[in-house]
Amino acid sequence: EADIYQTPRYLVIGTGKKITLECSQTMGHDKMYWYQQDPGMELHLIHYSYGVNSTEKGDLSSESTVSRIRTEHFPLTLESARPSHTSQYLCASSPRLAGESYEQYFGPGTRLTVT
Amino acid sequence: AQSVTQLDSQVPVFEEAPVELRCNYSSSVSVYLFWYVQYPNQGLQLLLKYLSGSTLVKGINGFEAEFNKSQTSFHLRKPSVHISDTAEYFCAVCTSYGKLTFGQGTILTVHP
Repeated sequence: EADIYQTPRYLVIGTGKKITLECSQTMGHDKMYWYQQDPGMELHLIHYSYGVNSTEKGDLSSESTVSRIRTEHFPLTLESARPSHTSQYLCASSPRLAGESYEQYFGPGTRLTVT
Repeated sequence: AQSVTQLDSQVPVFEEAPVELRCNYSSSVSVYLFWYVQYPNQGLQLLLKYLSGSTLVKGINGFEAEFNKSQTSFHLRKPSVHISDTAEYFCAVCTSYGKLTFGQGTILTVHP
């Protein structure tokens, strides 16, 4: 059973506020990912990390930033939220072992609304 | 570059009927293939995966999928659906670099 957690689950916030979406996993996975998902749309990778102190931008450009100071923690920050940031944000992790299946385990998501 | 196309955005079906959700992919390298399910207000849960070997893959909840290399397809099937199968289903491909590319999703609605 995968153990990956996201908080908050739902967040409504005003324009211009700084927010941090939390993601933690207890599986010791090296790889972690952030996806953005608009309603009825596919997931777009916005950030990923292959380990501590490693962060990369994904396929979809995002104004958010991430950090990876600890293996289990991969928070996403928006310095100044805008209505265009309204979306669902999904965090995922996967093990980094040779020959592994590259299966990603997903958290429950954070649904962000910026008013 | 790799891409995934799910050919049906919505599939309505009656309970106990069979269903097929179609997925085609393109990639210049070998891929691993996945189907995920997403229930409302939840994250994604892995249904099944194809890595190598037998082209018919069985997953959870009675789902199965068949990898067809010549047609670059990975269609998901279930012989008899239940109301509880109502959800959105995502096909995804992964290369050896470990990054997943998702399709647009198919909303399966099972009617009583």
